[in-house]
Amino acid sequence: DAGVTQSPTHLIKTRGQQVTLRCSPKSGHDTVSWYQQALGQGPQFIFQYYEEEERQRGNFPDRFSGHQFPNYSSELNVNALLLGDSALYLCASSILGLAGGTGDTQYFGPGTRLTVL
Amino acid sequence: DAKTTQPNSMESNEEEPVHLPCNHSTISGTDYIHWYRQLPSQGPEYVIHGLTSNVNNRMASLAIAEDRKSSTLILHRATLRDAAVYYCILRDVPLNYGGSQGNLIFGKGTKLSVKP
Repeated sequence: DAGVTQSPTHLIKTRGQQVTLRCSPKSGHDTVSWYQQALGQGPQFIFQYYEEEERQRGNFPDRFSGHQFPNYSSELNVNALLLGDSALYLCASSILGLAGGTGDTQYFGPGTRLTVL
Repeated sequence: DAKTTQPNSMESNEEEPVHLPCNHSTISGTDYIHWYRQLPSQGPEYVIHGLTSNVNNRMASLAIAEDRKSSTLILHRATLRDAAVYYCILRDVPLNYGGSQGNLIFGKGTKLSVKP
């Protein structure tokens, strides 16, 4: 059973450019969340998608946008890249609707390391 | 979500038990206690969760204080592969929040080093 996959593994961009990161959720999962992890910090929530809609958003500017496709895969887009956007971007999938704390278990991919020069 | 407090780092010897503490004095009655860990160069992975009673699974045990203001993640026999950052997270799952489960709020966690 394939877990959460992300592509690409690494990416180097320059300031002002745009980037698209991709995520395929674990089989059977319908919800995808994106996190940004700066070096030495815990992951910070960007947004979550369910039924192709953004359901919840963290404290990130509109330069960060996303999309979820009918097959539950997802993309994270970042426009007008800044040096501070350099980080590990993590995708996590889960199943909406499971009871209590069990339904909140999120399965993370290995991440995409983005470097902005 | 309520806040948690964890030591920045801990050390353990291989094959010995490890007790990772977490304080959450402002926990609410509906908050679940979750633990995730992040091995080097990997995404976080779920370890265990509980509400009131102690919990055991193949990875670890979770001991929850009677007043729920603190909890302890127990690794019964640490191996070198257990070296990771361990995150204690409180989750009040708002299943009726516009269809969203809500997000995980990570702190800095506890960096566990395991010595051979």
